[in-house]
Amino acid sequence: KQEVTQIPAALSVPEGENLVLNCSFTDSAIYNLQWFRQDPGKGLTSLLLIQSSQREQTSGRLNASLDKSSGRSTLYIAASQPGDSATYLCALPRDSSYKLIFGSGTRLLVRP
Amino acid sequence: KAGVTQTPRYLIKTRGQQVTLSCSPISGHRSVSWYQQTPGQGLQFLFEYFSETQRNKGNFPGRFSGRQFSNSRSEMNVSTLELGDSALYLCASSSRQENTEAFFGQGTRLTVV
Repeated sequence: KQEVTQIPAALSVPEGENLVLNCSFTDSAIYNLQWFRQDPGKGLTSLLLIQSSQREQTSGRLNASLDKSSGRSTLYIAASQPGDSATYLCALPRDSSYKLIFGSGTRLLVRP
Repeated sequence: KAGVTQTPRYLIKTRGQQVTLSCSPISGHRSVSWYQQTPGQGLQFLFEYFSETQRNKGNFPGRFSGRQFSNSRSEMNVSTLELGDSALYLCASSSRQENTEAFFGQGTRLTVV
């Protein structure tokens, strides 16, 4: 049974700092992994999708890496800004179905 | 191109009532999935519809049901509402081709009083 863990649960950093968010999963036989951002009371915004055959994906100041053998993905945010403050969630589909298994998220606060 | 649209955004219902939520996927997407998000349980999968057929179902009681129409729009229904059904209900749209991205709507905030 796939389980997804995100550590830390909360993170507070000063503006401009580079930071790494972690996502761990128990079953390395994954199809892909997706990172989302959620603002309070809002829906999920897709940030990056990494296919199982890829090692990393980049979009602007965001870089996500995937290491299936160790069951880990990291989301790197460069030069953080107050507007990056949100909850970041990682999710994987359960086997070949389209049911996404979510981590509990990391709540990020970037202080001006 | 329009994103995933969920209506209504907010709902307040009384215990015992029923409610219907609507989701319009991205044009061309035929898969619609529903999730419940609560502070205690996080995001939990309810069900997925593809081409008007339910393909997957999560561990929720039969009071939670859904359907999908020929234009891929989906509705979710909750009958005999309980206080614990208060949550943010999110809908995700996907083309369901191999390894595709899921796109979420803004959600419907349901409060049961």
